[in-house]
Amino acid sequence: GAGVSQSPSNKVTEKGKDVELRCDPISGHTALYWYRQSLGQGLEFLIYFQGNSAPDKSGLPSDRFSAERTGGSVSTLTIQRTQQEDSAVYLCASSLVRVANTEAFFGQGTRLTVV
Amino acid sequence: KNQVEQSPQSLIILEGKNCTLQCNYTVSPFSNLRWYKQDTGRGPVSLTIMTFSENTKSNGRYTATLDADTKQSSLHITASQLSDSASYICVVSGSTTSGTYKYIFGTGTRLKVLA
Repeated sequence: GAGVSQSPSNKVTEKGKDVELRCDPISGHTALYWYRQSLGQGLEFLIYFQGNSAPDKSGLPSDRFSAERTGGSVSTLTIQRTQQEDSAVYLCASSLVRVANTEAFFGQGTRLTVV
Repeated sequence: KNQVEQSPQSLIILEGKNCTLQCNYTVSPFSNLRWYKQDTGRGPVSLTIMTFSENTKSNGRYTATLDADTKQSSLHITASQLSDSASYICVVSGSTTSGTYKYIFGTGTRLKVLA
């Protein structure tokens, strides 16, 4: 696709349910980032994938959060047993990694609401 | 540890006034720095890029400065408009020993312009 695509754009789920958020990066971008923005807060780093390297999971807030990236392309962020504090906008970004001065492109985000 | 810190966290100004947003970083080796604008409900979009050798760059009413010695950048908005209300995110790219580039994202400054 032309840009980073995230789905769904909005998700309302009941507390305790599991959710999956999807990110389809720009073709050829080997780096993929997940961030989240809670209401009124700044960007919070979650996880970083780069090619076949082990992902940087240092930002995942708890073991209820996990992410995978299949085939070096599409990534799925899974939140198990959702809690109300998980409500936020989840942003995905992708970039090239071997080209200096290139841009990280963001998706539109998935707004997750846990009720 | 590579970090990007922004200040203030939020800012409210009157339409027509100027404002300056700050970004301090510890990313090393440094490759480039970008300022992104994130309108409500949208993903961040790049406003300007600063490389090591650039001190200032303008994009309309937006002027970015970079001091690579002190590792500081600023984004100055002149004659603010209601449409400037957004989050502004500072993103620093650092090169790694493997020859790749990784982005470190600031938490952002939320700007509100009032009529």
